[in-house]
Amino acid sequence: TQLLEQSPQFLSIQEGENLTVYCNSSSVFSSLQWYRQEPGEGPVLLVTVVTGGEVKKLKRLTFQFGDARKDSSLHITAAQTGDTGLYLCAGEFGNEKLTFGTGTRLTIIP
Amino acid sequence: DVKVTQSSRYLVKRTGEKVFLECVQDMDHENMFWYRQDPGLGLRLIYFSYDVKMKEKGDIPEGYSVSREKKERFSLILESASTNQTSMYLCASKTQGAGGLYEQYFGPGTRLTVT
Repeated sequence: TQLLEQSPQFLSIQEGENLTVYCNSSSVFSSLQWYRQEPGEGPVLLVTVVTGGEVKKLKRLTFQFGDARKDSSLHITAAQTGDTGLYLCAGEFGNEKLTFGTGTRLTIIP
Repeated sequence: DVKVTQSSRYLVKRTGEKVFLECVQDMDHENMFWYRQDPGLGLRLIYFSYDVKMKEKGDIPEGYSVSREKKERFSLILESASTNQTSMYLCASKTQGAGGLYEQYFGPGTRLTVT
């Protein structure tokens, strides 16, 4: 079973600060997705990255896929309280299934 | 809007009971999944299904079974509930195709407590 490690596990920062969370694996992904989950809800897809070195932006969120397709990062600029949630990366290894990371629980303090 | 619904948001059962968790999706998706979510462990795949009456084991199938008699409905069954099955259970569906290129749509989850 492939494992995805996310770091940090918990992150609490002030509104307006920048932050980066990471997703790492020892295996090569075919593609990688980032999801956000709010309390009492299921995860919702934010982005899919496919190509090594790919960078995608979603407003204040920047997603990067490592050149070797073994890691990914999510950078948030000028964090807002609405960014609070659990961020999950999920890697696909060439079949119909996703393997989810352990998650980063982000809290933005007003 | 894609909708995945789960039969219960909260459920409390006793050890040894048979438990049914139901999931329904309205997007005619071929693939459906059951995960459990525990703090620090992320989402772990229990079972998934590619089509009606088709099922495959995920990473942690022990103690669980599934049923898919209709395309829109995927049921998770705990034959004899145990306290270590206390968890959040999430159902998801997606259209068929390379796993990472299509979004998985999740239900709101069922928080199951086994006492």
